[in-house]
Amino acid sequence: LAKTTQPISMDSYEGQEVNITCSHNNIATNDYITWYQQFPSQGPRFIIQGYKTKVTNEVASLFIPADRKSSTLSLPRVSLSDTAVYYCLVGLLRGSTLGRLYFGRGTQLTVWP
Amino acid sequence: DAGVIQSPRHEVTEMGQEVTLRCKPISGHDYLFWYRQTMMRGLELLIYFNNNVPIDDSGMPEDRFSAKMPNASFSTLKIQPSEPRDSAVYFCASSARGKETQYFGPGTRLLVL
Repeated sequence: LAKTTQPISMDSYEGQEVNITCSHNNIATNDYITWYQQFPSQGPRFIIQGYKTKVTNEVASLFIPADRKSSTLSLPRVSLSDTAVYYCLVGLLRGSTLGRLYFGRGTQLTVWP
Repeated sequence: DAGVIQSPRHEVTEMGQEVTLRCKPISGHDYLFWYRQTMMRGLELLIYFNNNVPIDDSGMPEDRFSAKMPNASFSTLKIQPSEPRDSAVYFCASSARGKETQYFGPGTRLLVL
C-alpha cells in the first residue's frame, strides 16, 4: 500500500516558484498522484492530478519521474494567497473499485511578502 | 450544484452523548468519504462508500464510530458514546465513478467536553 512522505513546512516569498516534493516509494502500477490544497477552516481542494511525466493546468504543474517513486508539485510565482497546507495523495484504482487512499501529512507552505 | 453539504457546521456536546454528523454528496457521485482531521494526526480517512456500500472502514477508530449511507444522497457518521478525544473536524467528500478527484464539504467542527 502506497504511503507518502512530504516536508512538514516550506517558506517562500511572493513571486517565487515553489516546488514541493512527495515521496511514494511503494506506488503501484495503477496508482494516480493527486495534490490538494487546504486553507484554514476549509476542506481540501483539488489542485492537480497525474500518472506519469508532466501535467500542467492553470494553477500548477506536476512532475513525475519515470520510476514514479516521487512527484513534485510546482507553483509558479506564488502569492500570499497560496499560503496553505498541500497534501500529496496516492490512490489505487482497481477497475470500478477505488482502493485504499493515503493522504500525506501535508506541507504547510507560508508565503511572505 | 451546491457542492457537498455537511451539517451541523459546529457541534458542542458532553462526553457520553451521541453525536450524529450528516452529509449530502454531490448529485451523481458514486463515492462518499468520511475523514477526520486533528492537529496531531492530520487528515485521516475513516471510511468510504461506493454506491452506498461501505468498501473500506479500516480507518474507523473503534466500535463507538459507525457510518451509514441509506441512499445515494445521504450519509451519517455516528459516535456513541462520544469522548473528548473525538474532538476534531470531520469532513465528508464525494467523487464520481472512476475519477479520483474528491470534492470536500466545509466540515463539522466537533468539540466534546
